[in-house]
Amino acid sequence: AQKITQTQPGMFVQEKEAVTLDCTYDTSDQSYGLFWYKQPSSGEMIFLIYQGSYDEQNATEGRYSLNFQKARKSANLVISASQLGDSAMYFCAMGPDSWGKLQFGAGTQVVVTP
Amino acid sequence: GAVVSQHPSWVICKSGTSVKIECRSLDFQATTMFWYRQFPKQSLMLMATSNEGSKATYEQGVEKDKFLINHASLTLSTLTVTSAHPEDSSFYICSARVQGGTYEQYFGPGTRLTVT
Repeated sequence: AQKITQTQPGMFVQEKEAVTLDCTYDTSDQSYGLFWYKQPSSGEMIFLIYQGSYDEQNATEGRYSLNFQKARKSANLVISASQLGDSAMYFCAMGPDSWGKLQFGAGTQVVVTP
Repeated sequence: GAVVSQHPSWVICKSGTSVKIECRSLDFQATTMFWYRQFPKQSLMLMATSNEGSKATYEQGVEKDKFLINHASLTLSTLTVTSAHPEDSSFYICSARVQGGTYEQYFGPGTRLTVT
């Protein structure tokens, strides 16, 4: 069975600073993907970044980078130069499994302060 | 591209009535759609997997007679909450996988249901 763990329920970060959101996972699958989504208060799920288990390089998308450490089964999200608009809930997810499902972590609430 | 819409975005209904939520993929064909439920400050909980032309597969603990899912076409899936009760009040989100795609999954904007 797959399991995703986000141990940080909430974080405060100052504007322009970098923040790291932790995500660890457990799976017996050899091939899997790791995702990060942002959910602002409006509720929409915004895809941020994806890392495949066989990708040798860490994924980056603009200010977002994924620190993938396969041996430690961690897939931390790094947001550089935080902006006020980054305040949101962030979810780590793993999959898709053979049915196409994603498994979500509990989420981390990020609040960016001026 | 890859836009998923949901309708309505919010709905208030009276206890005992049924409400239908639509999930549409606007610019791609989706063989598989997923329905999630989310309570405030909590994660997304998968309710069911919907495949075009076949019966939905429900997650353990989800009442299939209460949450009716129909995937009538490659661009439309509907979730009907039957005989709604206040405890069904929640945020419902759908997502869709691109036909022939790999890992891509696109989410709708969600529907907020309040049962009074």
